[in-house]
Amino acid sequence: AQSVTQPDIHITVSEGASLELRCNYSYGATPYLFWYVQSPGQGLQLLLKYFSGDTLVQGIKGFEAEFKRSQSSFNLRKPSVHWSDAAEYFCAVGENQGGKLIFGQGTELSVKP
Amino acid sequence: GAVVSQHPSWVICKSGTSVKIECRSLDFQATTMFWYRQFPKQSLMLMATSNEGSKATYEQGVEKDKFLINHASLTLSTLTVTSAHPEDSSFYICSARTGGSEQFFGPGTRLTVL
Repeated sequence: AQSVTQPDIHITVSEGASLELRCNYSYGATPYLFWYVQSPGQGLQLLLKYFSGDTLVQGIKGFEAEFKRSQSSFNLRKPSVHWSDAAEYFCAVGENQGGKLIFGQGTELSVKP
Repeated sequence: GAVVSQHPSWVICKSGTSVKIECRSLDFQATTMFWYRQFPKQSLMLMATSNEGSKATYEQGVEKDKFLINHASLTLSTLTVTSAHPEDSSFYICSARTGGSEQFFGPGTRLTVL
């Protein structure tokens, strides 16, 4: 079955520290992978996506993610977290760029001053 | 570009009444729109996919007679929650795409049924 797992429900990091949010997927075909961010009471904003090519993708707001096929992972990273990064982060997988998406459970990020 | 709006942003209604939520693509023509439901502190669950001019395709377990979806134009889709009950209280999010583009998400509608 197709699924996305985000093992960490809640992560707290200090401002300026590095961040890595984990995402593992189970998908029968070549996956299209996405990371979204959701601020409280808001819709989703796309941070980055991976379809093919270079397995390290750069996104907005200084985020990057690395696709590792052997580990079925697509972890999100940021070298230095800002207080404004506090939000809910969702990893998602789809069959193509605009098709149905399966979302992970989300990881809530808190940032300590 | 690629802005999706939803109206209302929040709504409170009495049990047994119907509520309509609008999803609009403001600067592009949305051939496909998706409706998601999100419970507090949980992920988004796809409810249905609608293509302009066609009947919506509902995900397994979603009652199509309760959640009526209409996609009558390339810029507007509506979700009507009929005979709403407290368990229908949730955050409803729509997304839209044109052709094979990625999905663009609306800001969501918070529904509270008393």
